Amino acid sequence: DGGITQSPKYLFRKEGQNVTLSCEQNLNHDAMYWYRQDPGQGLRLIYYSQIVNDFQKGDIAEGYSVSREKKESFPLTVTSAQKNPTAFYLCATARAGKIADTQYFGPGTRLTVL
Amino acid sequence: AQSVTQPDIHITVSEGASLELRCNYSYGATPYLFWYVQSPGQGLQLLLKYFSGDTLVQGIKGFEAEFKRSQSSFNLRKPSVHWSDAAEYFCAASSGGSYIPTFGRGTSLIVHP
Repeated sequence: DGGITQSPKYLFRKEGQNVTLSCEQNLNHDAMYWYRQDPGQGLRLIYYSQIVNDFQKGDIAEGYSVSREKKESFPLTVTSAQKNPTAFYLCATARAGKIADTQYFGPGTRLTVL
Repeated sequence: AQSVTQPDIHITVSEGASLELRCNYSYGATPYLFWYVQSPGQGLQLLLKYFSGDTLVQGIKGFEAEFKRSQSSFNLRKPSVHWSDAAEYFCAASSGGSYIPTFGRGTSLIVHP
């Protein structure tokens, strides 16, 4: 059953804590992306990776970090430096080398800061 | 700067009525265009996409979209809306040389019985 898995579905964080959101895919896609979604603001790109061991900052990378040690996995860490992390986080994948290719999205993780 | 505009934040229609969601883009050349749908608390699902060729594109769930170069638009249509179509709809565009699509802010569709 091919697809993208994001875990956990809901995550609660205390002030000052780092938390890591998981994104795993078995679509054999090279490209992976992290978006943040806030009501009325659409999707904003946090980080993206076109290939293993390489990633680039998106529009709102401050306070976030990522790693891409395996093709299948692209975890996102929300650090304590992110001042307003409460949001819905979406992971997406696409085939690399296809500039206009479709993005496939995971089910999302809702992060709430207590 | 490249941009995608969805002028309507909310659209309310009655079940069975026709639907048109607007999308305008600003790109130097004709971009590749997409429509995605998002149900509450879920990820996005591709409805349809336009790369080239026939300007009327058919998608899943009975949706279609028409590319109009003269108007820089890619509006989404459905002849008869079902209650299950209530969701958030996103238009997106990407151009040659960029792996990163630009998304509109979304249009929330409300369907009245």
